[in-house]
Amino acid sequence: QKEVEQDPGPLSVPEGAIVSLNCTYSNSAFQYFMWYRQYSRKGPELLMYTYSSGNKEDGRFTAQVDKSSKYISLFIRDSQPSDSATYLCAMSAGIGSQGNLIFGKGTKLSVKP
Amino acid sequence: DTGVSQDPRHKITKRGQNVTFRCDPISEHNRLYWYRQTLGQGPEFLTYFQNEAQLEKSRLLSDRFSAERPKGSFSTLEIQRTEQGDSAMYLCASSFPARQVFYGYTFGSGTRLTVV
Repeated sequence: QKEVEQDPGPLSVPEGAIVSLNCTYSNSAFQYFMWYRQYSRKGPELLMYTYSSGNKEDGRFTAQVDKSSKYISLFIRDSQPSDSATYLCAMSAGIGSQGNLIFGKGTKLSVKP
Repeated sequence: DTGVSQDPRHKITKRGQNVTFRCDPISEHNRLYWYRQTLGQGPEFLTYFQNEAQLEKSRLLSDRFSAERPKGSFSTLEIQRTEQGDSAMYLCASSFPARQVFYGYTFGSGTRLTVV
């Protein structure tokens, strides 16, 4: 079992839909959780960052972390064609030697006009 | 200084040749990371530096790979005797952990290596 599991999709939705992306993980030491967005042939860019459990909202994006279930989610409201990209979850046990990010495979999202 | 810069953007090389990639991190960031990403996969950790010290290497980093960050600024990743399995996107990232807070990394656009 990989440390971080993420359904690679692809996921296709109509413009304006609510998108739900999620990851599960096995390492209970993870306490920093991130979502990165990656456009084709580009590097990942940080979208959302959450420490420990709870919710965080930023515009149309909401990140949720449930450490008891080892499950994290990213919700995109009012999805736009410009949201079409691969979404990568990433997590870390902290700074120092355990600060390295462990990524999921990424979910490819396509938002159709 | 607007972000992490990687050069070249794309490199095509013949099997057996050596290649070297360069990464210029965000200037105030003291940590620099190298990741590798193959098609359909998330980035996988290769190695990281704090200032000029290489603090950790993944088992993915075979002895054909070497990374340096001589003055704690830019870094180079060299692959010797390239193999077709080395074809991937090589991503560099930097960060500045302070006060026990972790804010994730800033990635460059990557160097896409194709070994033919």
